[in-house]
Amino acid sequence: RKEVEQDPGPFNVPEGATVAFNCTYSNSASQSFFWYRQDCRKEPKLLMSVYSSGNEDGRFTAQLNRASQYISLLIRDSKLSDSATYLCVVFTGGFKTIFGAGTRLFVKA
Amino acid sequence: DAGITQSPRHKVTETGTPVTLRCHQTENHRYMYWYRQDPGHGLRLIHYSYGVKDTDKGEVSDGYSVSRSKTEDFLLTLESATSSQTSVYFCATQGAIGTDTQYFGPGTRLTVL
Repeated sequence: RKEVEQDPGPFNVPEGATVAFNCTYSNSASQSFFWYRQDCRKEPKLLMSVYSSGNEDGRFTAQLNRASQYISLLIRDSKLSDSATYLCVVFTGGFKTIFGAGTRLFVKA
Repeated sequence: DAGITQSPRHKVTETGTPVTLRCHQTENHRYMYWYRQDPGHGLRLIHYSYGVKDTDKGEVSDGYSVSRSKTEDFLLTLESATSSQTSVYFCATQGAIGTDTQYFGPGTRLTVL
């Protein structure tokens, strides 16, 4: 079992749609959680951190459920520019940061 | 964006040759990392550094070595390149463990024939 698992997709949605990604992690002692975005043939970039209380940044909402060990990302009112791969990232302690393989999103006009 | 550059950006080499990739940062970040990214896998840690001359192995370190003689430079060497090392290599830096995000360089696409 992978330490961080994501649905690889791809998710194909029309502009304006709401789309949700989930991610599960195996280490219950994990400390910090993030969503990164990676455009095709580019480097990953931080999208947002994920807090237990949930947090929102514009059209993006992230949630953490420690009891069930999953993280979610909700994108509302999808834009063409949201097309990318979204990486679920878990910091487990020390120097160990685990990156999920990513979920691909295509937003269509 | 963090000032991280990688060189070369693209390289094609032959099996058995040594290859060195360079990561340079201008952020004065203490922590630096080398990852590889392959289809179907997340980023996998090769080696990391927690200070000048302080390095350690990650989960996929076989066949790789690193050096850090200055805060700003972190070198990754493939001692004798193999086709299984064809990949995209990313360098990352981090100011503080756990709380700070990791910032990535633009990547190096390496093909080993």
